[in-house]
Amino acid sequence: DVKVTQSSRYLVKRTGEKVFLECVQDMDHENMFWYRQDPGLGLRLIYFSYDVKMKEKGDIPEGYSVSREKKERFSLILESASTNQTSMYLCASSPGGEYNQPQHFGDGTRLSIL
Amino acid sequence: AQSVAQPEDQVNVAEGNPLTVKCTYSVSGNPYLFWYVQYPNRGLQFLLKYITGDNLVKGSYGFEAEFNKSQTSFHLKKPSALVSDSALYFCAVRDIPTGGSYIPTFGRGTSLIVHP
Repeated sequence: DVKVTQSSRYLVKRTGEKVFLECVQDMDHENMFWYRQDPGLGLRLIYFSYDVKMKEKGDIPEGYSVSREKKERFSLILESASTNQTSMYLCASSPGGEYNQPQHFGDGTRLSIL
Repeated sequence: AQSVAQPEDQVNVAEGNPLTVKCTYSVSGNPYLFWYVQYPNRGLQFLLKYITGDNLVKGSYGFEAEFNKSQTSFHLKKPSALVSDSALYFCAVRDIPTGGSYIPTFGRGTSLIVHP
């Protein structure tokens, strides 16, 4: 069974800090995604990656960057955290080139920026 | 371009009654359609998908969904709701290749509340 693991369930950081959110998947999936989820706005795509060292901007990349040095790991970086980045962050993965396969999600990181 | 709409923010149903959570979509080609469920403080879990073939798709936990091409809809249904079905439900669409992206588009979610 596919498992997507996010390193922290809850995280509290301060404004201006550099924040790292980590995500690891164990099914050798090519595609990995970072979303943020806010009430009433659904899921919004921040960044995605379709291969090691490859990344593409999603709908709301401002204030974020990503890193994918290994196939199984996809990191989201908040360069200088701000209060409007307080949110639930979800990581997902899916097989490459298989459009009919669902995404597999981690349990999320609830991030609070004070 | 692809888009998906979930017209109801919240659906209330009594336990034992049938439930429907609505989803409509727009694609330029043919769609791949997905339903996911999210329980509190958890990630999204895959429920079912429509790829091709039979318009009625059966999934996990007794849920099913009906693909209707003429109405561009993919409504989620269950014959008899349980209190434990209370959760947030997301519909997602992918426009099948020919310029479509493998990035799915999600609806805003519908909160299902099942009353005892």
